[in-house]
Amino acid sequence: DAMVIQNPRYQVTQFGKPVTLSCSQTLNHNVMYWYQQKSSQAPKLLFHYYDKDFNNEADTPDNFQSRRPNTSFCFLDIRSPGLGDAAMYLCATSTAQGQNTEAFFGQGTRLTVV
Amino acid sequence: QQQVKQSPQSLIVQKGGISIINCAYENTAFDYFPWYQQFPGKGPALLIAIRPDVSEKKEGRFTISFNKSAKQFSLHIMDSQPGDSATYFCAASPSPIFSGGYQKVTFGIGTKLQVIP
Repeated sequence: DAMVIQNPRYQVTQFGKPVTLSCSQTLNHNVMYWYQQKSSQAPKLLFHYYDKDFNNEADTPDNFQSRRPNTSFCFLDIRSPGLGDAAMYLCATSTAQGQNTEAFFGQGTRLTVV
Repeated sequence: QQQVKQSPQSLIVQKGGISIINCAYENTAFDYFPWYQQFPGKGPALLIAIRPDVSEKKEGRFTISFNKSAKQFSLHIMDSQPGDSATYFCAASPSPIFSGGYQKVTFGIGTKLQVIP
């Protein structure tokens, strides 16, 4: 059973048109992450939520925003997608209990910008 | 700055052979080293992980070897099978105590493994 669910699996958006990707989890984990993975590259952390606290990576463009209305859901908003934003977007979750624990990834949303 | 260096970027192994992927890290604050397996069109999934207080961890056909003094670790896949064909990412993270309580994972660039019959 899927524990981290991303919707949609594939998203096509127009250049400059705002788009929202969604993630839900059934694990009740404190921490939710958004990663960007471009073709043949490693996943790159964009930001994460620790409970309701939002933490942006220093090099994440302002074009990327996120919302976490409750423990289970997290959204990635791309305000004005550019061609360079075409990528796989991965949501992940983990507990935060003082020790390193497994990060659980969703299947990803592949974003195409036309 | 690439904090986790991974090699090779691609690897072709015959069925039944041993696949070896190597990683090196720089940040001495890293104390958790997971390996993720990613099939095309899927998200990464944890394969096996090690902490620096042990030099080796084995789970089935998968073994991590860890050399703390050299800051290197490697994944060995014994008796490689075509179903093992995937991209493998080594990764590292510091204790959440040092990163604000969350799992700040740094990934290597990935190794695309192809196991041929």
